[in-house]
Amino acid sequence: NAGVTQTPKFQVLKTGQSMTLQCAQDMNHNSMYWYRQDPGMGLRLIYYSASEGTTDKGEVPNGYNVSRLNKREFSLRLESAAPSQTSVYFCASSVDRGRGTDTQYFGPGTRLTVL
Amino acid sequence: DQQVKQNSPSLSVQEGRISILNCDYTNSMFDYFLWYKKYPAEGPTFLISISSIKDKNEDGRFTVFLNKSAKHLSLHIVPSQPGDSAVYFCAASKGSYIPTFGRGTSLIVHP
Repeated sequence: NAGVTQTPKFQVLKTGQSMTLQCAQDMNHNSMYWYRQDPGMGLRLIYYSASEGTTDKGEVPNGYNVSRLNKREFSLRLESAAPSQTSVYFCASSVDRGRGTDTQYFGPGTRLTVL
Repeated sequence: DQQVKQNSPSLSVQEGRISILNCDYTNSMFDYFLWYKKYPAEGPTFLISISSIKDKNEDGRFTVFLNKSAKHLSLHIVPSQPGDSAVYFCAASKGSYIPTFGRGTSLIVHP
């Protein structure tokens, strides 16, 4: 099992450009998440999908959109990138968001720089 | 406002000694606590957890202690090894809610 995979690993954008970060999991998990990690700020939840067909905002959703394409895939889109979105983005999955005790499995991250 | 606080951004320990990483929380409704470990250029991985009905949970060299009255938990690593050098995130959840993460503590274990 590959676990949680993310593409690309690195990306440099210019202000105003758009891009989509891809995430896939092969663990048959119901719930998937997108986080960003900034220096000194820990992991902050952007969006999550409790199950296929549903998405909800997290702590810092502004400037982002998501799509839960199917049970395996959850993408994060930046429509018009801004320098404030320079960050490391992590995708994660868990068996079920409905149980707060579920362990989250994280992907390796995408390091995004917006110039 | 931070609900989960890791007030020490970094900690340096000698190999073989004990590492103690601390975490404080403000929401008394939190009932489940987790620690994740993160190496550079990798995603966080789950390390150990504890339910609020317990005050201690042990897994090999790792022990988590929970003091509900003080709203404080700590992760003890004994003995510390150079391979333990990583960023450690504390997280807390209540019921079915998604865990809230602290800002992390960078542990360096010197050989």
